[in-house]
Amino acid sequence: DVVMTQTPPSLSVAIGQSVSISCKSSQSLVYSDGKTYLHWLLQSPGRSPKRLIYQVSNLGSGVPDRFSGTGSQKDFTLKISRVEAEDLGVYYCAQTTHFPPTFGSGTKLEIK
Amino acid sequence: QVQLKETGPGLVQPTQTLSITCTVSGFSLTSYYMQWVRQTPGKGLEWMGFIRSGGSTEYNSEFKSRLSISRDTSKNQVFLKMNSLKTEDTGVYYCARAAGFAYWGQGTLVTVSS
Repeated sequence: DVVMTQTPPSLSVAIGQSVSISCKSSQSLVYSDGKTYLHWLLQSPGRSPKRLIYQVSNLGSGVPDRFSGTGSQKDFTLKISRVEAEDLGVYYCAQTTHFPPTFGSGTKLEIK
Repeated sequence: QVQLKETGPGLVQPTQTLSITCTVSGFSLTSYYMQWVRQTPGKGLEWMGFIRSGGSTEYNSEFKSRLSISRDTSKNQVFLKMNSLKTEDTGVYYCARAAGFAYWGQGTLVTVSS
């Protein structure tokens, strides 16, 4: 199975600051169709996960453009600009390029 | 709008069988894959398996020998059955619409304990 490694495991940021989360995969996530099926999810406290970004850099429906995703092959980054209080929770990367789909272990974002 | 809701037993005894129903609305099961993902304290988020729009299934080998996914399209329901439960299977079980995890249910907490 593809191993997804996220760093850091946790971080604390002040409102209005920017933050980046790294996700590295054990194999390239480029599929045979040329697309890269790397996604970012946010699990707010007590809630189910919500998809923020799909295929590396595409914003999900209703997701503010403070969120952005970049990367390629095996190295990906989620950036949150101007963090707001509602952004707290655990962020996960997930890949659906290879079978079975796998998830990172999560990055917990706390607000200072 | 798209909605998914899981209903499960809450408490299951070790060695018994878990049955969970996912009821969907706002789309047709014959048009989308449906998948099951669980979240346990020990392993975090784990993809369990899916049922294709045509009705065939694929399972994570981690669960293959004891997991079954089926559906009733007339009732807009997808079913998860997993046997030989262990305490490590305690967690929250989610149904989600594939692909790319765009839509999730609220999850149902399953506790495996005697």
